[in-house]
Amino acid sequence: TQLLEQSPQFLSIQEGENLTVYCNSSSVFSSLQWYRQEPGEGPVLLVTVVTGGEVKKLKRLTFQFGDARKDSSLHITAAQTGDTGLYLCAGANSGGSNYKLTFGKGTLLTVNP
Amino acid sequence: DTGVSQDPRHKITKRGQNVTFRCDPISEHNRLYWYRQTLGQGPEFLTYFQNEAQLEKSRLLSNRFSAERPKGSFSTLEIQRTEQGDSAMYLCASSRMGVSGNYGYTFGSGTRLTVV
Repeated sequence: TQLLEQSPQFLSIQEGENLTVYCNSSSVFSSLQWYRQEPGEGPVLLVTVVTGGEVKKLKRLTFQFGDARKDSSLHITAAQTGDTGLYLCAGANSGGSNYKLTFGKGTLLTVNP
Repeated sequence: DTGVSQDPRHKITKRGQNVTFRCDPISEHNRLYWYRQTLGQGPEFLTYFQNEAQLEKSRLLSNRFSAERPKGSFSTLEIQRTEQGDSAMYLCASSRMGVSGNYGYTFGSGTRLTVV
């Protein structure tokens, strides 16, 4: 069974601070995705990373995929209250079941004004 | 593109009753998924359809659960003889054909089931 461990589980910061959340596994994934979920809603895709070592930027968010495609990080610069939410990483299996995603438990981020 | 729609948004039912949820995916997406999410957990895979064919069903799905996708369009998830442990958010997602890991999922807003 492929597992994704996310850390920290909870993070509470002040507006304007920087933060990094992590997603780690002992398994190799063909690609990894990050989603943000707000209470009572479904997850919304932020980014997909495919190549080991890949770095993608989405405004103040920077995503990195580990060289071995087993881990990823999400860095937020100058956090805003609108960044509050549950951040989920999800890995896509290799091979024939590449349609299926394995999700971590998420990092619940609270950005205080 | 109106996104993925799920109905109802909330359902409260008594233990032992049957419930059915509906999902309307993005029309161009031929892959459809059901996931279940409980408090403090990430979504867990339940089942996958490619067009109208159900190609994988998780061991999490007992024989009380059944899903269909007639004509490869909308999908339904039925739970028979509900139990309190079935209380969760049921999420539907769709994606384009190809490597889902590359394209990502579009999720609906989910159906929150409470079994009392």
